[in-house]
This record gives sequence, C-alpha cells and structure tokens, in this order.
Amino acid sequence: GEDVEQSLFLSVREGDSSVINCTYTDSSSTYLYWYKQEPGAGLQLLTYIFSNMDMKQDQRLTVLLNKKDKHLSLRIADTQTGDSAIYFCAESLDGGSQGNLIFGKGTKLSVKP
Amino acid sequence: DVKVTQSSRYLVKRTGEKVFLECVQDMDHENMFWYRQDPGLGLRLIYFSYDVKMKEKGDIPEGYSVSREKKERFSLILESASTNQTSMYLCASSLTENEQFFGPGTRLTVL
Repeated sequence: GEDVEQSLFLSVREGDSSVINCTYTDSSSTYLYWYKQEPGAGLQLLTYIFSNMDMKQDQRLTVLLNKKDKHLSLRIADTQTGDSAIYFCAESLDGGSQGNLIFGKGTKLSVKP
Repeated sequence: DVKVTQSSRYLVKRTGEKVFLECVQDMDHENMFWYRQDPGLGLRLIYFSYDVKMKEKGDIPEGYSVSREKKERFSLILESASTNQTSMYLCASSLTENEQFFGPGTRLTVL
C-alpha cells in the first residue's frame, strides 16, 4: 500500500541549514506537501509542490522533488530556534481527487542555539 | 482565513463513557477528516467524509463512529471509550485535492 517514510529526528545548530528527507510510494500523487506542527498545536501547511515540478523556493524554504526516486526534501536555510517543530511530509492519494493525504510519521527538528 | 475549530483542547473521560469530539469548518469545504496522532506513529486516518451524510472508513476506524449531518460539522464519536483511545485527535478539512486545513487538536485522556 501507500507509504510515506521520513526519519524521526534531526538536530541542527542555529544558523545552519536543515534538510528533512522523505520518500513516498504513490507515483500518481498530484501534490506533495510539507506541514509543520508546533508544540501543542495542529498542523499548518508550510509549502507544497506540484508533481511536475523539480524545485520550489519560498524565502528560506527550498523543496526538491525527485520523481524518479520518489524522494522529496525540505531545506530550511539559516535555521532559527523558532523552526523547532515536527515536520510532516504528505502525498495526495489517488491523484488527490478526494483530498486524501498520506502522512509520514513526522521529523522532529531540534534547533540548538 | 480558513478556520477549523474543535470543541475542546483537553478532555478527560472515564473508561466506558460515550465521547463526542466536534469539529466545525467555515470555508464550505466538502471533505473533512479525523486523525489521531500518537508518538512514533504519526497521523493515522480514522474516518473521512466527502459530503453531508457520507462517511468512509480510514485506516483505524475500530472503536469509532462519525456523523456529518451538516456540511460544516464533522463529529467523531467514541461509543465506549477505552484507555487505548487516549491520544491527540486532529480534525481537518479540504476542498478536493488542495491542502488540508487542520484544527488545533483535542488531547483526550481516558482513565
């Protein structure tokens, strides 16, 4: 079945770049998403990429998509302590016709001062 | 701004109680979802609904039921709460294949 895999933990120093990786299985996914969850809060959409794109940049965030390898990454430049959160990768299921998403287990990013 | 609200942020119930978790969205979204989030397990889909009075089982529907009588409201029901249903419950809504908008979550503890 469909599955989204990501590592559970990442620790970086303030000012460094963070790279969070994700692999997915559904080649028909239309959109791939990155969500951020701060402590005690719900998930908030950070960015997304359409499946026919290779890269998307939005200020400090860069999303890279390797569709052949079904690999998605999120790079956060100049990581700040406020970036500490859990980051979820998600793929749309069945082409996204009903808005169903499959989420990874989340990567907890810890930023040390 | 899309707003998804959940009736409670924290809830404590006893084993065997019937529990209602309410979710309301204000953007006329067709699709609504209930997830539970547990450490090390990520988000798991319990039920979803893509229209009023429609419901579909997700990955872990056992022990839960849902109700969607109005488009804006999606309720999750625990008929007889058990301790293994202690979890964070997240509601989300979406319009077709666009992003899902999440509520703040309800942390349910079953004693």
